[in-house]
Amino acid sequence: NFMLTQPHSVSESPGKTVTISCTRSSGSIASNYVQWYQQRPGSAPTTVIYEDNQRPSGVPDRFSGSIDSSSNSASLTISGLKTEDEADYYCQSYDSSNVVFGGGTKLTVL
Amino acid sequence: EVQLVESGGGLVQPGGSLRLSCAASGFTFSSYWMHWVRQAPGKGLVWVSRINSDGSSTSYADSVKGRFTISRDNAKNTLYLQMNSLRAEDTAVYYCARDLGGLVVVILDYWGQGTLVTVSS
Repeated sequence: NFMLTQPHSVSESPGKTVTISCTRSSGSIASNYVQWYQQRPGSAPTTVIYEDNQRPSGVPDRFSGSIDSSSNSASLTISGLKTEDEADYYCQSYDSSNVVFGGGTKLTVL
Repeated sequence: EVQLVESGGGLVQPGGSLRLSCAASGFTFSSYWMHWVRQAPGKGLVWVSRINSDGSSTSYADSVKGRFTISRDNAKNTLYLQMNSLRAEDTAVYYCARDLGGLVVVILDYWGQGTLVTVSS
């Protein structure tokens, strides 16, 4: 089984850009799609990025995803930060027998 | 509108059993793989189990294998999680989630609001 490692927390000011990383421990990051979920306090997760870089309808284009094979990691970038973006963010991927979540990153917009 | 509504959570003693349900509506339930994901208080998301669209194939996280059973009733548009031999470390909010991907891709596009399971004496 592989693991996905995220920073525990990040913070940035409104209007700025922040990037959250998600590093895969073994196997290629490119071998299975990466998804990103946003979870606000007291709420269920919602999908903000799927298939590495696709946005569901209704998710603003301030949210973008990418993968980098050289660092074996995925990234979620949020530009033009708003206070409403303050939440926990989880990356997720899978292999033939397991579904794996990263440990989550708490984004503070201050 | 896609809706997933979990029920069946509650307080149970260690070693006890509980069955969770997830009522689905707003989509063709029988066409989608489904998952259970849990979140212990103050902790992150952890995958528990998944089932294919017709219920013939299931898989489990090692931490619940042999104790939990996922099933579905496509006629009733309902997903289940039978949890036996419960332990304190199973205490969590349990979410059901729809899988947009299926056999080769796992994309959890819709989630329920969750049901809390507390294992304590």
